Amino acid sequence: RKEVEQDPGPFNVPEGATVAFNCTYSNSASQSFFWYRQDCRKEPKLLMSVYSSGNEDGRFTAQLNRASQYISLLIRDSKLSDSATYLCAVVPTGGFKTIFGAGTRLFVKA
Amino acid sequence: SAVISQKPSRDICQRGTSLTIQCQVDSQVTMMFWYRQQPGQSLTLIATANQGSEATYESGFVIDKFPISRPNLTFSTLTVSNMSPEDSSIYLCSVTRPGQGAWEQYFGPGTRLTVT
Repeated sequence: RKEVEQDPGPFNVPEGATVAFNCTYSNSASQSFFWYRQDCRKEPKLLMSVYSSGNEDGRFTAQLNRASQYISLLIRDSKLSDSATYLCAVVPTGGFKTIFGAGTRLFVKA
Repeated sequence: SAVISQKPSRDICQRGTSLTIQCQVDSQVTMMFWYRQQPGQSLTLIATANQGSEATYESGFVIDKFPISRPNLTFSTLTVSNMSPEDSSIYLCSVTRPGQGAWEQYFGPGTRLTVT
């Protein structure tokens, strides 16, 4: 089993749709969780950290479920510019190495 | 965040040759990381580079193939040695910075390597 697994995608959605990505992790001792966005032929960029209480940044909401060992990312009112690959990332407790999922590709169409 | 630059941005190399990739960070960092991302794949950590000590390599990566230098707290190089077409990939330098309650990871723009 991979340490971090994501929905395989791709997700094809119309503008204005709500889309949700899930990511599961195998190490129950993981301490930090993130979502990254990677545009085609660009480096990954930090989208948001994921906190135990959940957090929201505009149209983006991230949630953590420690009991089930998954994190989610919800994008509301999708824009064409949201088209990208979304990577979830996990850092084990006491560790400094970030483990990345394979990414989920999102296509938002007009 | 962090400002990270890499050189070269891309290169096309012949098999059997070596390429050294440079990474420069805008301020001092303890650890620098080198990742590889093959087409359509996620990020694979090659090694962690600390200043003043030998790099720590992940399983499947060895120093002879991917020698790393870390001469100071803002700079590192990764060499891809004796290249083969299987080394064609994007190589990314990365650092961590403290965020809100967690260390956040930032990436350089990457070096796109094609081996012919």
